[in-house]
Amino acid sequence: DTAVSQTPKYLVTQMGNDKSIKCEQNLGHDTMYWYKQDSKKFLKIMFSYNNKELIINETVPNRFSPKSPDKAHLNLHINSLELGDSAVYFCASSPGGGNTIYFGEGSWLTVV
Amino acid sequence: KNEVEQSPQNLTAQEGEFITINCSYSVGISALHWLQQHPGGGIVSLFMLSSGKKKHGRLIATINIQEKHSSLHITASHPRDSAVYICAVSSGSRLTFGEGTQLTVNP
Repeated sequence: DTAVSQTPKYLVTQMGNDKSIKCEQNLGHDTMYWYKQDSKKFLKIMFSYNNKELIINETVPNRFSPKSPDKAHLNLHINSLELGDSAVYFCASSPGGGNTIYFGEGSWLTVV
Repeated sequence: KNEVEQSPQNLTAQEGEFITINCSYSVGISALHWLQQHPGGGIVSLFMLSSGKKKHGRLIATINIQEKHSSLHITASHPRDSAVYICAVSSGSRLTFGEGTQLTVNP
């Protein structure tokens, strides 16, 4: 069983569309994250949730909205997609604090 | 300037060579992580350190808290070690990443 799974793995969509990426972890972790990896391979945190509550919200356009229905799921909704949103989005989870972080396999988003 | 700096950015080695990747950080941390990202894109956590040294197979990671510096060593490198190695520091739930080191090990 995959510990952190995210779907879809690949997504090609047109500008202006609304899309969602889903993430689920079966590790029983309290903390989940969304990271964005740009074309230069640089990773940056977008959001962090602890037990369904938002604890980190970096400077991300409000077109991006995370939703955590329970502590095992953290979905990322993106409205009015723009070309610059093209990137790889990684979901991750950890027990919290400075503990080991487990990453999903990434979702490659291409906006055309 | 990034809060986490890695060097070198790119590294090419011959199979069997000893490899060192360095990471310096400028913020207070609760832990430092070394991550590996293969060409397929998946990210795997190699080590999490808050002090001293850890070893796993041919990989060794060290950290000097006073100097705010960590190193990742690979002994007897192999082409399958070719990947991007990323240093990241955690402060509470926030993880800040270095820009990564692209390692290529040639046979």
